[in-house]
Amino acid sequence: TQLLEQSPQFLSIQEGENLTVYCNSSSVFSSLQWYRQEPGEGPVLLVTVVTGGEVKKLKRLTFQFGDARKDSSLHITAAQPGDTGLYLCAETLGGSQGNLIFGKGTKLSVKP
Amino acid sequence: DAGVTQSPTHLIKTRGQQVTLRCSPISGHKSVSWYQQVLGQGPQFIFQYYEKEERGRGNFPDRFSARQFPNYSSELNVNALLLGDSALYLCASSATGANIQYFGAGTRLSVL
Repeated sequence: TQLLEQSPQFLSIQEGENLTVYCNSSSVFSSLQWYRQEPGEGPVLLVTVVTGGEVKKLKRLTFQFGDARKDSSLHITAAQPGDTGLYLCAETLGGSQGNLIFGKGTKLSVKP
Repeated sequence: DAGVTQSPTHLIKTRGQQVTLRCSPISGHKSVSWYQQVLGQGPQFIFQYYEKEERGRGNFPDRFSARQFPNYSSELNVNALLLGDSALYLCASSATGANIQYFGAGTRLSVL
């Protein structure tokens, strides 16, 4: 079973700062998804990356997929309090669209 | 359109009891998956159902069972509850052939 490791586990920053969180695996990802989960809510899909070296941008969020497809990063520019939440990376288990393996997540707190 | 809805939102049970959690997928979605999220961890896959048939099962004991109804809603049953079953139980639905899962807000189960 593929193990997804996320780092850091916790991150507390001031509004306006930049940050990067990471997702790594010992195995090659077929594809990787990033989710954000706010307190009291379910995870919400932010992006799916498929191709090694791929970079996707979503407003102030930049997602990178490693060339070898074994790692990914999420960079947030000028963080805002609304970015606070649990950031999860996930891989599809066995190619099935209904079975996701999640990392433990990075809990981000952005203070005003 | 309504998103994925789960009921109840919160539930308190005692050890040894049985619990049934309910999920209504987004209209038109035939696939429903269940996840368990223990505090401080990422969601862990329990079951996937598609067209009323089980398509995947995670590493959970036989105390956990589920079913899907003709209207594609689903129930998750947990028997002989243990303290360690305390968690947020998430339901997600997806459209046929789509690689996006939409999560409900979850049911928070506390076992005392």
